[in-house]
Amino acid sequence: RKEVEQDPGPFNVPEGATVAFNCTYSNSASQSFFWYRQDCRKEPKLLMSVYSSGNEDGRFTAQLNRASQYISLLIRDSKLSDSATYLCVVPSGGGADGLTFGKGTHLIIQP
Amino acid sequence: EAQVTQNPRYLITVTGKKLTVTCSQNMNHEYMSWYRQDPGLGLRQIYYSMNVEVTDKGDVPEGYKVSRKEKRNFPLILESPSPNQTSLYFCASSPEPRTDTQYFGPGTRLTVL
Repeated sequence: RKEVEQDPGPFNVPEGATVAFNCTYSNSASQSFFWYRQDCRKEPKLLMSVYSSGNEDGRFTAQLNRASQYISLLIRDSKLSDSATYLCVVPSGGGADGLTFGKGTHLIIQP
Repeated sequence: EAQVTQNPRYLITVTGKKLTVTCSQNMNHEYMSWYRQDPGLGLRQIYYSMNVEVTDKGDVPEGYKVSRKEKRNFPLILESPSPNQTSLYFCASSPEPRTDTQYFGPGTRLTVL
């Protein structure tokens, strides 16, 4: 099983809709998780951190399911500006660094 | 302004011509790392550094070198670039990689002919 897996999409969603996507991870010992947003050809930027069961920030909600080893990102009332690639990041448990990035889920919000 | 800077932002070079991509951060972070990003492969770590004079290989270190002589700088060196090193490169820094935000530089788009 790959360490971090994401559906690459693209997810085509009408403006105003709610969209959710998941990220599954293999290291059951991971304690912290991150969602990063990356616009085309630009640097990734932190969207949300998830340390316990979940986190909410405005229209964005991240939830953690430790039993099934996945984290989800929910975007409500989606805006055109939400169009981006969303990267899931999980500490992989190996070595001093141990960060693993998912390949990302591409989201396109349509007017 | 807290930031990570990379130079150059764009570079076209030829096979075998040594090059260095600089990375500098002004946040006094101990941890720095280099990634390359390729279509369909996502972000892959090249090298990372937990502190000055401490560096270690990531997932794809072949063909690259790094150094960490000062806390703020973490240059990426390609001694003999090859076309398969054509990619988008990102430098990142963080206080602690497993629990803190990683701050990425703007990226360097490298083409090796």
